[in-house]
Amino acid sequence: AQSVAQPEDQVNVAEGNPLTVKCTYSVSGNPYLFWYVQYPNRGLQFLLKYITGDNLVKGSYGFEAEFNKSQTSFHLKKPSALVSDSALYFCAVRDGGTGTASKLTFGTGTRLQVTL
Amino acid sequence: DTAVSQTPKYLVTQMGNDKSIKCEQNLGHDTMYWYKQDSKKFLKIMFSYNNKELIINETVPNRFSPKSPDKAHLNLHINSLELGDSAVYFCASSQGVQDPYEQYFGPGTRLTVT
Repeated sequence: AQSVAQPEDQVNVAEGNPLTVKCTYSVSGNPYLFWYVQYPNRGLQFLLKYITGDNLVKGSYGFEAEFNKSQTSFHLKKPSALVSDSALYFCAVRDGGTGTASKLTFGTGTRLQVTL
Repeated sequence: DTAVSQTPKYLVTQMGNDKSIKCEQNLGHDTMYWYKQDSKKFLKIMFSYNNKELIINETVPNRFSPKSPDKAHLNLHINSLELGDSAVYFCASSQGVQDPYEQYFGPGTRLTVT
């Protein structure tokens, strides 16, 4: 089965500073990777996904993620954090082979806290 | 214009009761899902339906029974509720099931069993 790991429960960053939320993956075959964000008392919102192609994927709200095959990582990044970015971030991997029913397997989540 | 909606938003009930959560999507998607998020925010898939057909059942107790009257609706019925069922339940939808389409989530239903 495919899996992702988010090694940090919480990341703290000052507004205006760059942020990184880490994710590593374990898959057989080509990885299909996603980032979602969950604001308090809300459902998850899709940020971006990596299917194939450029290793740097750009997504919503100024976020981007870098796919690194040699390090099996898919870290989420933003050049300049905003207080409004404070939320719970989930990395996910598509689990299921081509031609079969697929599902998303989520990491344990990383809480991002951006302070003034 | 809510893309994926769920009702109710909050549900408080006693052990042993039966309850239902409803989900509707107006995105024209073929595939819908139910996820459970526990108190530690761990998110796990429960079921997936594609065009009203069950395609994923993740070893969920038989007390949970999803029903999809049409591809825009996926309801979750829970019998004989237990304390451990307390969680936030999210409905989601996606364009398809075989390709890595992104999923769109509803706002969640917070179920509290006392």
